[in-house]
Amino acid sequence: DAGITQSPRHKVTETGTPVTLRCHQTENHRYMYWYRQDPGHGLRLIHYSYGVKDTDKGEVSDGYSVSRSKTEDFLLTLESATSSQTSVYFCAISDYPATSGGGKETQYFGPGTRLLVL
Amino acid sequence: GQQVMQIPQYQHVQEGEDFTTYCNSSTTLSNIQWYKQRPGGHPVFLIQLVKSGEVKKQKRLTFQFGEAKKNSSLHITATQTTDVGTYFCAVANAGGTSYGKLTFGQGTILTVHP
Repeated sequence: DAGITQSPRHKVTETGTPVTLRCHQTENHRYMYWYRQDPGHGLRLIHYSYGVKDTDKGEVSDGYSVSRSKTEDFLLTLESATSSQTSVYFCAISDYPATSGGGKETQYFGPGTRLLVL
Repeated sequence: GQQVMQIPQYQHVQEGEDFTTYCNSSTTLSNIQWYKQRPGGHPVFLIQLVKSGEVKKQKRLTFQFGEAKKNSSLHITATQTTDVGTYFCAVANAGGTSYGKLTFGQGTILTVHP
């Protein structure tokens, strides 16, 4: 598995509180992504980063912000958590364009964070 | 953005039976990837298909890319309990600079009864 860690792995919080999830990689990959996974919806892209301080919105970005001050770290912040943001959050990295045989857009996922908003 | 439809959503099989999941797109794809997610785990890359009509095999898994590059399938022969999980297809976002972004199908949840 690629060197990707996520913290915390589990979190319970209350509606209205801010929450920050961290993704850390040791692969020096340029591209990083945040997804949420919900039953029946598969994986949906929240935000992505194509370099330090370079980020953009994905499919379901409302209520989320991100920051990337270092290559290795990509932070996802729920500015004011709501129950609809209860989900499993995955970080992924990519070495696009290809530097190995896996393919141009192959993504490697972290272990995930289970977030419950009460 | 790119969209891909994956069916079925669920599949229950007896151990030893075959299993197939399909992904379909209304547009021509540059490539398609397949991922597997074990229960409680994270998605793991299985394979990428690039060429029209391409067929690739990994032991009991056979991956196909349609001639028109609009559909793909994953077939598992003689399922085992270790095959349990969710199988996703994923396609690269089309046009311009994609930044490596992928759009995932909804996934097929496979359960195998021993």
